[in-house]
Amino acid sequence: EDQVTQSPEALRLQEGESSSLNCSYTVSGLRGLFWYRQDPGKGPEFLFTLYSAGEEKEKERLKATLTKKESFLHITAPKPEDSATYLCAVQPYNFNKFYFGSGTKLNVKP
Amino acid sequence: ETGVTQTPRHLVMGMTNKKSLKCEQHLGHNAMYWYKQSAKKPLELMFVYNFKEQTENNSVPSRFSPECPNSSHLFLHLHTLQPEDSALYLCASSQTGGSNYGYTFGSGTRLTVV
Repeated sequence: EDQVTQSPEALRLQEGESSSLNCSYTVSGLRGLFWYRQDPGKGPEFLFTLYSAGEEKEKERLKATLTKKESFLHITAPKPEDSATYLCAVQPYNFNKFYFGSGTKLNVKP
Repeated sequence: ETGVTQTPRHLVMGMTNKKSLKCEQHLGHNAMYWYKQSAKKPLELMFVYNFKEQTENNSVPSRFSPECPNSSHLFLHLHTLQPEDSALYLCASSQTGGSNYGYTFGSGTRLTVV
């Protein structure tokens, strides 16, 4: 059964304190793994797509990596504006739908 | 206007009311989706439409009735809801078969059933 698990559920960081969010997945053939950011009262906003193990993508203070079983979203020297819920989703081959994790709620204190 | 637009942003309704949620996309996508987002739970896929034909109904109760008159518009008709139906309802769109960018989401409708 296709499944996505994110950890931790919530993470509190001080400004500048780097950390990583985890997304573990089980899928019958991975077409793509997606990271989204969701601010309160808004819909998820696309960040990255990863397709194969070993792939990395970067955007400002965020870097996403992928292995055959999990993905990490590394946050380097975070700022308060990075506070949001980060969602991970996987898309299996031959399926036009995504399986989402429950998200990690990140709070960065100044 | 670009992107995916959902209206209303907030909705409070009684259990005997009938209301509708609206979603509109201006991205030229041909697949549209309804998702339910409850606190601390993964997004739950409700319905999928491809080229305005429903291709998936994820065992959603009949008190939720979707309508897709064309590839740009999607509605969710609500009637005799229960308090546990209170949630954020998200509409999304994409190209059929997937996209390098996944879905494009609207801002959602925050529904409260009283």
